[in-house]
Amino acid sequence: DTAVSQTPKYLVTQMGNDKSIKCEQNLGHDTMYWYKQDSKKFLKIMFSYNNKELIINETVPNRFSPKSPDKAHLNLHINSLELGDSAVYFCASSQGVTSGNTIYFGEGSWLTVV
Amino acid sequence: KNEVEQSPQNLTAQEGEFITINCSYSVGISALHWLQQHPGGGIVSLFMLSSGKKKHGRLIATINIQEKHSSLHITASHPRDSAVYICAATSGGSRLTFGEGTQLTVNP
Repeated sequence: DTAVSQTPKYLVTQMGNDKSIKCEQNLGHDTMYWYKQDSKKFLKIMFSYNNKELIINETVPNRFSPKSPDKAHLNLHINSLELGDSAVYFCASSQGVTSGNTIYFGEGSWLTVV
Repeated sequence: KNEVEQSPQNLTAQEGEFITINCSYSVGISALHWLQQHPGGGIVSLFMLSSGKKKHGRLIATINIQEKHSSLHITASHPRDSAVYICAATSGGSRLTFGEGTQLTVNP
């Protein structure tokens, strides 16, 4: 059983479209994250939720909207996709928000905007 | 300048060699993570440490809080160790700041 699973793994879409990436964790963790990895392989946090409540919201265009229907799911919606949104998006989870907890990552979703 | 700096950016080694990857950070931290990203893209957490040293198999991670420096060592390296190794620091709560990663290639 995959601990943190995200779908789709690959997504190719045209500029201007709206798309969603789904994430689910079966670890019973309270905290979930979305990270973006750019073409230079640099990872940056986008959002973090704890018990369905937004706790980290980095400087991300408001075209990106996270939605957490329950603490096991954190979906990422992207409106009006732009070429610069092409990246790998990683979902992750950890038990609680303290910094001493191991973070578990999903396999990544490769988004290509054409 | 990134708050978390890694060196080297690229490292090529022969199978069996002892490998060291370094990480320096400029902020006060409460924990430091070492992550491994394989060519397929998945990211795995190797270590999380806030002091001292941890060992798991052939991997050893150390941290010196006073010097704001951490190292990841791989003993008896193997081609399957080829991956990107990333250090990441948390200064509070759950926000991670990542280094740019070190691409390791171990040749047979």
